Amino acid sequence: EAGVAQSPRYKIIEKRQSVAFWCNPISGHATLYWYQQILGQGPKLLIQFQNNGVVDDSQLPKDRFSAERLKGVDSTLKIQPAKLEDSAVYLCASSQGVREQETQYFGPGTRLLVL
Amino acid sequence: GENVGLHLPTLSVQEGDNSIINCAYSNSASDYFIWYKQESGKGPQFIIDIRSNMDKRQGQRVTVLLNKTVKHLSLQIAATQPGDSAVYFCAENMGLVNKLVFGAGTILRVKS
Repeated sequence: EAGVAQSPRYKIIEKRQSVAFWCNPISGHATLYWYQQILGQGPKLLIQFQNNGVVDDSQLPKDRFSAERLKGVDSTLKIQPAKLEDSAVYLCASSQGVREQETQYFGPGTRLLVL
Repeated sequence: GENVGLHLPTLSVQEGDNSIINCAYSNSASDYFIWYKQESGKGPQFIIDIRSNMDKRQGQRVTVLLNKTVKHLSLQIAATQPGDSAVYFCAENMGLVNKLVFGAGTILRVKS
């Protein structure tokens, strides 16, 4: 079974530029998550989708971050404009459903450096 | 590789010894807990989970212990191997929609 795919793996941009990340979850998984992992910290949930609907986006900085999952499969996360503090690894994860105790499977992440 | 964990606690063990990694969680209402392993340059990988109605669960070479009284989790790795070197995170499930809150992480270094 193929895992969660993410691209690009690395991105370097200057502050105030925009950037987009792409995620393809495990086939058949209804729930997709985007996490931000700052160096030296655990992942922090940004947004959670079930199919193409948002379940939780309470920690997403909506003034600059946006995410979509239009067809309920793959997803994009965008930052516009980027700030220095956005430098982090952006992880995508998926699970079969949204019930508690469903294992979340993570992709390799996109490493963003904002200069 | 990625220099993850500049400020994380580090546990160094000799190959073949047992490792114990500890974690304190925040929400007394959390009722599901997971341990993840994260190797350099990779995403977190599920290791083992435990529900709050249990105090111990065993997997292959790993055991998780849960003490709800003091909100403490531990991960025990038997006969630690060089491939176990990674950052280990505990996570608690915060409700009905499978939202995870991760702890700060612990670096495990295995010396050969």
